[in-house]
Amino acid sequence: NAGVTQTPKFRVLKTGQSMTLLCAQDMNHEYMYWYRQDPGMGLRLIHYSVGEGTTAKGEVPDGYNVSRLKKQNFLLGLESAAPSQTSVYFCASSYGTGDTQYFGPGTRLTVL
Amino acid sequence: KQEVTQIPAALSVPEGENLVLNCSFTDSAIYNLQWFRQDPGKGLTSLLLIQSSQREQTSGRLNASLDKSSGRSTLYIAASQPGDSATYLCAVEGSWGKLQFGAGTQVVVTP
Repeated sequence: NAGVTQTPKFRVLKTGQSMTLLCAQDMNHEYMYWYRQDPGMGLRLIHYSVGEGTTAKGEVPDGYNVSRLKKQNFLLGLESAAPSQTSVYFCASSYGTGDTQYFGPGTRLTVL
Repeated sequence: KQEVTQIPAALSVPEGENLVLNCSFTDSAIYNLQWFRQDPGKGLTSLLLIQSSQREQTSGRLNASLDKSSGRSTLYIAASQPGDSATYLCAVEGSWGKLQFGAGTQVVVTP
């Protein structure tokens, strides 16, 4: 039982490049989330999904897209990376509203 | 818009002393409040979840209280140990499980 895993762990991009971050969970959770963490600002919600095939915008969605084609996977895409997207990205999942969220280990992304 | 504040931003205590961490939020319409621990370079680990109808929750040396009407929660850690050194984050849950986080309190417990 791996819980929530994230791929890759580290990545360096140049401005304008694209990439996809993968989140996978093996707990049969319905809800999945993508957050970013910046120094002194806590975690902020980017996008979330309440079930396979659904996605919705969070607090800071601009510059990101997501897909949830399979229940266990939640992908976060950056189409044209910008230095402002340098951050640590965390994925989380839960059974639903009111339930504990379980977090992955994070992806540290640097955009030059 | 919900705002979550944690005070103090950093705290250093000698081993054995009790820790008191504060969290305040502006909108009382929450499903629950969660406390997390984050070690440097790691993900978040859930410590306690207090449902909106509860007043407190306990797990071992940890006790968290919730006063929804005043928008406050306090995390108490009894008899602190060097292994308790970490950043502690509180988060309130709104609709669809969306969490709004505070910026965290960085704790150092010195031997």
